[in-house]
Amino acid sequence: DAGVIQSPRHEVTEMGQEVTLRCKPISGHDYLFWYRQTMMRGLELLIYFNNNVPIDDSGMPEDRFSAKMPNASFSTLKIQPSEPRDSAVYFCASSLMTSGQQYFGPGTRLTVT
Amino acid sequence: AQSVTQLDSQVPVFEEAPVELRCNYSSSVSVYLFWYVQYPNQGLQLLLKYLSGSTLVKGINGFEAEFNKSQTSFHLRKPSVHISDTAEYFCAVSDRGAGKSTFGDGTTLTVKP
Repeated sequence: DAGVIQSPRHEVTEMGQEVTLRCKPISGHDYLFWYRQTMMRGLELLIYFNNNVPIDDSGMPEDRFSAKMPNASFSTLKIQPSEPRDSAVYFCASSLMTSGQQYFGPGTRLTVT
Repeated sequence: AQSVTQLDSQVPVFEEAPVELRCNYSSSVSVYLFWYVQYPNQGLQLLLKYLSGSTLVKGINGFEAEFNKSQTSFHLRKPSVHISDTAEYFCAVSDRGAGKSTFGDGTTLTVKP
């Protein structure tokens, strides 16, 4: 298996633009997680899905953030409009409930100028 | 509710010295426990995990950890570190069958020559 795939790996955009981050989880995994990592705040859980259904989005910082999982093999995290404080590395991870181990993607480094 | 406390935010150590990274957790139910490692500019990857059975768990790269239920701890150890072990280490806890993990704030291990 190729592991968790994220795209793009790097994104530079201007304040006010819409940003869409993409994730393909490991086939057969029933959980998908979106995290944000910054030096100031560390690793933060934004939202997670179980069998494509959002379970907990309490970590989503504002209404500018939204996430979808239309099927078992694809998820998006959208920021609209983007702001400089959204600059961070965004990770997607997937797991099986039976093991609890999370498999992380390589991350998307987002820079908002 | 779960919580994870990594007792040291930074641990500097000389090459070939032993190291211990400390992790305490709280949970009201039976748990799975994990240590993940993050090298610069990469995602998190599993170092080792405790699901059940022997309380001494061995992982990759010569690391091991011991689950201590009475002290609710899961400390990570390595008898002799290498420069290449320089990274950030995260402790995580998951309620059995819950799918979601709670992560600690991370410990930065710096191995000096």
